[in-house]
Amino acid sequence: EAGVAQSPRYKIIEKRQSVAFWCNPISGHATLYWYQQILGQGPKLLIQFQNNGVVDDSQLPKDRFSAERLKGVDSTLKIQPAKLEDSAVYLCASSLDRTEQFFGPGTRLTVL
Amino acid sequence: KNQVEQSPQSLIILEGKNCTLQCNYTVSPFSNLRWYKQDTGRGPVSLTIMTFSENTKSNGRYTATLDADTKQSSLHITASQLSDSASYICVPRGGSARQLTFGSGTQLTVLP
Repeated sequence: EAGVAQSPRYKIIEKRQSVAFWCNPISGHATLYWYQQILGQGPKLLIQFQNNGVVDDSQLPKDRFSAERLKGVDSTLKIQPAKLEDSAVYLCASSLDRTEQFFGPGTRLTVL
Repeated sequence: KNQVEQSPQSLIILEGKNCTLQCNYTVSPFSNLRWYKQDTGRGPVSLTIMTFSENTKSNGRYTATLDADTKQSSLHITASQLSDSASYICVPRGGSARQLTFGSGTQLTVLP
């Protein structure tokens, strides 16, 4: 069974630029999560989708972050404009029934 | 507010030695607790899950314990191997929204 796919794996941008990350969850998993993991910390939930609807986006900085899952499968997370403090690993996870979450390898973002 | 504290923050041991990682949490009401292993550059992978009725659960050389009364959990690694070098993250689930709360992790380094 293929795992959660994410791309790109690494991204370096300058502050105030825009960036987008892509996630393809495990086939059949209705729930998709985006996390931000700052170095030395645990993952922090940014947004949770159930199919193509948002379940929880309470910790998403909506002035600069946006995410969509238009067809209830793939998802994109966008940052516009990026700030230095956005440097982190962005993890995507999916789950079949909101129990165990399966994580992708993450995208490491560096904002200069 | 749900919180998770893990100790030690980092640990260095020699190959073949045992170690125990600690987790204290304040999640209430409590649903379950997972320990994740996160290799460098990878997403977290679940090692064990424990409900409030379980005191001990093993997965190979990993043994997790849970004391739901004192809200403490531990992860014991027996006969450590170089491949055990990783961050180990404690994640209780609970609260009114049955949310996950990620600890900051213990960074374990196993030296030959």
